[in-house]
Amino acid sequence: KAGVTQTPRYLIKTRGQQVTLSCSPISGHRSVSWYQQTPGQGLQFLFEYFSETQRNKGNFPGRFSGRQFSNSRSEMNVSTLELGDSALYLCASSPSGYRTDTQYFGPGTRLTVL
Amino acid sequence: DAKTTQPPSMDCAEGRAANLPCNHSTISGNEYVYWYRQIHSQGPQYIIHGLKNNETNEMASLIITEDRKSSTLILPHATLRDTAVYYCIVRVGDTDKLIFGTGTRLQVFP
Repeated sequence: KAGVTQTPRYLIKTRGQQVTLSCSPISGHRSVSWYQQTPGQGLQFLFEYFSETQRNKGNFPGRFSGRQFSNSRSEMNVSTLELGDSALYLCASSPSGYRTDTQYFGPGTRLTVL
Repeated sequence: DAKTTQPPSMDCAEGRAANLPCNHSTISGNEYVYWYRQIHSQGPQYIIHGLKNNETNEMASLIITEDRKSSTLILPHATLRDTAVYYCIVRVGDTDKLIFGTGTRLQVFP
């Protein structure tokens, strides 16, 4: 099976712009989660989607949003970019999010905000 | 907040066993312990998970104490490619929300 794929892999934006990142989960996986990784804060949970519904949300401002499509693919959007949004954005998928379901991570999208 | 405590760094000689400890003293009876590792700037890689019994797979072994308040990840024959940050995570509930702590940076040296 193909792994979790994320596009684009690298992105450079300027402050005030918005950005959309895409994640394709492993085939058959219905739960998709997003994480932000920065040197200062480490790996932080952003949100989780299951069957097109947001099931969990981390402690991030409303500028961070996401959605999931009927084929389980997911996108996350960051509006009005700030310098502090520069980070590695990771997507992970699992079959259903059950406690024994293993999450598999994609390679990430490296976002740089200038 | 992370429910686990790990040493910030450890060293291990190539070919020797690497034993990475994790404390999770507030773990509940139905919460699983998961281990992931992250090699520089790549996505975290799943290693192993367990509830209360010891577990082994092709990558590692997981030893959970009887009271479940701590566990140890064992890489039986460490190689240079095992150099990474290792995260011990307590999985809370039936969601994919993982709370990562700061992990243990394992350095394997020749």
